[in-house]
Parts: sequence; structure tokens; C-alpha cells
Amino acid sequence: GQNIDQPTEMTATEGAIVQINCTYQTSGFNGLFWYQQHAGEAPTFLSYNVLDGLEEKGRFSSFLSRSKGYSYLLLKELQMKDSASYLCAVTDSNYQLIWGAGTKLIIKP
Amino acid sequence: GAGVSQTPSNKVTEKGKYVELRCDPISGHTALYWYRQSLGQGPEFLIYFQGTGAADDSGLPNDRFFAVRPEGSVSTLKIQRTERGDSAVYLCASSPRSYEQYFGPGTRLTVT
Repeated sequence: GQNIDQPTEMTATEGAIVQINCTYQTSGFNGLFWYQQHAGEAPTFLSYNVLDGLEEKGRFSSFLSRSKGYSYLLLKELQMKDSASYLCAVTDSNYQLIWGAGTKLIIKP
Repeated sequence: GAGVSQTPSNKVTEKGKYVELRCDPISGHTALYWYRQSLGQGPEFLIYFQGTGAADDSGLPNDRFFAVRPEGSVSTLKIQRTERGDSAVYLCASSPRSYEQYFGPGTRLTVT
């Protein structure tokens, strides 16, 4: 079957750095996404990786290793507004998005 | 520009009733997706349209669920004989190509 695993919840301190991991097992691979979802709101796009390596976009970076079926989202200089759920999703061979359950990130002052 | 819009934002209905949920995608986006999301879970894929046709409806849970996109823009998700287990947030997303999806605010459906 197809599976996306990510931690259920993480806690970090304002101003610090946090890394959210995602491992996947899917039938085929056509890219990996990270989305941010604040409580009661729709997911918003953060990043897309289709090749191995690190993609940096401001305070957020995303890394992919296709051979290991692994990705992480790195958030730097954490702000209180970064408290949200972070969803990992993989596009399979049919270009269907397979979603993880999300990691709830709690930022403490 | 305008994003994806969904109406209604909230819908409360009685068990056994019929409901329609509407999605207005971003203009020009050919791909449209319906998902449903329960609390603490990621979105669950329901159906994907490319233009007017349903390219993949493998996520529809049963024949009570149906979706249309007659003119390749607005889409309606239809649920017959609603059950309490259908209660969830129904999300619509549109995409200009095969990856990045833009989500609407969702419709929270509650079946009592």
C-alpha cells in the first residue's frame, strides 16, 4: 500500500530551528510537497521537490532523498505564526497526491 | 486575483438528506480536485477533473457521492442520503498544471 509517515506533533521555541521529517512508500514518485495548514483553514503551498537535494525559500527549506524515500521541512527563526500543521504529500505514478496526516507544530515563547 | 472559492462555508443537514457543495476554481485552471478532511488527518482524495471529465474518481467512497464539472470551471460535489460519517470538511483545489494545488477555504459539512 501507499504510506506517508510524519510525526504527529512537535514543539519548538520561538526563534529556534525545527526539522519536520516525512518518509514515504508510494507506487511511483512524481514529486513531494509540503503544505502549511492553520487550524480551521485550507492548506497553503510551501514547497515542491522532485529532484534530490535542498530547496531553500526564505526561512523555509525542504530536502528530498528519493533513494531513501525521505524528506524534511526545515523552519528557521521560528515565529509564533508558524504554529500550524505541516502536511507532507507525494504525487504517485498516476499523479495522484497521497497525503500524510500532518505534523502539528506548537511554538512556545 | 481571486482564489478558489467554496460555498457554503458551513452546511448542517439531517441524516438522509441530499446536499450539494460548490467549488469555483481559479480562472484558467484546468485541473480541479475534491478532498475531504477529518480533524487531525490529512486530506483524503475524492475525485480529480481535467477539464470537464473526471480523470480519476477512485476516491469516491460509494455511489452516494457524485461530482460534476459540466463546463470545465465550476464543480459541484453531490452527496445523496447523507450519513453521520460524511461529516467532515470538504476541500476543493485547482491547479494550472500537474503539481501545485491551490485550495479553497472548504465547506464544513455536519450531518445530524
